[in-house]
Amino acid sequence: EPEVTQTPSHQVTQMGQEVILRCVPISNHLYFYWYRQILGQKVEFLVSFYNNEISEKSEIFDDQFSVERPDGSNFTLKIRSTKLEDSAMYFCAMGGNGGAFFGQGTRLTVV
Amino acid sequence: DQQVKQNSPSLSVQEGRISILNCDYTNSMFDYFLWYKKYPAEGPTFLISISSIKDKNEDGRFTVFLNKSAKHLSLHMVPSQPGDSAVYFCAAKETSGSRLTFGEGTQLTVNP
Repeated sequence: EPEVTQTPSHQVTQMGQEVILRCVPISNHLYFYWYRQILGQKVEFLVSFYNNEISEKSEIFDDQFSVERPDGSNFTLKIRSTKLEDSAMYFCAMGGNGGAFFGQGTRLTVV
Repeated sequence: DQQVKQNSPSLSVQEGRISILNCDYTNSMFDYFLWYKKYPAEGPTFLISISSIKDKNEDGRFTVFLNKSAKHLSLHMVPSQPGDSAVYFCAAKETSGSRLTFGEGTQLTVNP
């Protein structure tokens, strides 16, 4: 049974547009994470979120990105002014020790 | 970023035999290691983990071995089944941080 549901499953957006990727936990978790995988590359850490604050972020997670839990349940990743190189699978994860439970991912395609 | 490396891009085994997947790391601060399985168009699925205070952990068909001196871990899966065909990732975490650092993955094919 999936712990994490991500929406949408696929998002196509024009370069320069803003996108919001959503993550809905099925059960209560305290730690939330976003990872991404560019085609043919490793899964990369973006950001971790605990107690409504960013606890750690990678070099990739610059001012273009932001995260929040707007209603205390959904966990969102916002990418402002998307670039072609933002095209990737974006995975939300939850749990301790880096995020044991991953969602099925959102495929973001920037055209 | 080569902190976690899986040197075998692919591995092929016969159904019923043992699959052994390997992973090397360079960062001495890593103290927790995880293995994930990933099917196409799905997210990684957690399989098994090990803390650096142990050198072996077993869970059903899966056993993970950790050799800290060699900075090497391996995942043993037996018996292998065709449904196990997937990409297997190892990942590592430092005590002080929350991020996972992933290897490149190994494509396992289990032949009937």
